[in-house]
Amino acid sequence: EVQLVQSGAEVKKPGESLRISCKGSGYSFTSYWISWVRQMPGKGLEWMGRIDPSDSYTNYSPSFQGHVTISADKSISTAYLQWSSLKASDTAMYYCARHYPPGDIVATTNWFDPWGQGTLVTVSS
Amino acid sequence: QSVLTQPPSVSGAPGQRVTISCTGSSSNIGAGYDVHWYQQLPGTAPKLLIYGNSNRPSGVPDRFSGSKSGTSASLAITGLQAEDEADYYCQSYDSSLSGPWVFGGGTKLTVL
Repeated sequence: EVQLVQSGAEVKKPGESLRISCKGSGYSFTSYWISWVRQMPGKGLEWMGRIDPSDSYTNYSPSFQGHVTISADKSISTAYLQWSSLKASDTAMYYCARHYPPGDIVATTNWFDPWGQGTLVTVSS
Repeated sequence: QSVLTQPPSVSGAPGQRVTISCTGSSSNIGAGYDVHWYQQLPGTAPKLLIYGNSNRPSGVPDRFSGSKSGTSASLAITGLQAEDEADYYCQSYDSSLSGPWVFGGGTKLTVL
C-alpha cells in the first residue's frame, strides 16, 4: 500500500525552530515529488512547495519562499518541512502529498495522491 | 484570495444532484491545464476524488463526475448521500507567479 505517514502534533513557542517529517512507503520514494500543503484553522488548502527526492531540487510558492525550508533524506524515504523561527501565524495543519504521475515532463498535469494524515502545528506563547 | 474560485457552500437533499464550480483564468484552467478534485471529510486529510478533469480513481463511486470547459470546471454529485457532506477542493497548474500548483478556496457541501 502506498502511504505517507507524518510526524505527530507539535506545540511550540514563537521564535522556536521546528522540523516535521513525512515518510513514504510502498513505492519508489525517489521517483515521485512530494509537496507540502498548509491548512490554517477553518480555511482552505495552500500549496507551499515541493521537492524532488532524487536530487533534493525544490521550488516554493512565492507566499512561502524564505519562510520555510523543504528537504528530504532519500536513504530513509522521508521528506521534511522546517521553520527556523516560528510565528503564531504558522499555527495550522500541514499535509504532505505525493505528486502523480512521476517526472517533470508531466508536471503540468500533476495531482496529489496519496496525502499524509497531517501534522498539527500550534505556535503559542 | 485563491487563484481558483469556488462557491463557499452548496447544499442539497438526499438523492438530489449538486454541482460545484471552479473558475480559473487564462494562466491555469483556460490554458488547458487539467483540473483535479479532492474531498475532505471532517477532521481528515484530503482525498483524491477526480483527476484529469473527469477520471475517477478506483473506489470512487460513479455518483461523482467532473467536467471542464473554457476557464471553468465542475464537480457533479448525483444521488446525494449524508456521507458526502464534506469540503471539496479543485486544483490545477498555474503558469503565473501564483503557482505552479494551485487550489480553489474550497466548497462546503451540506446534505440537508
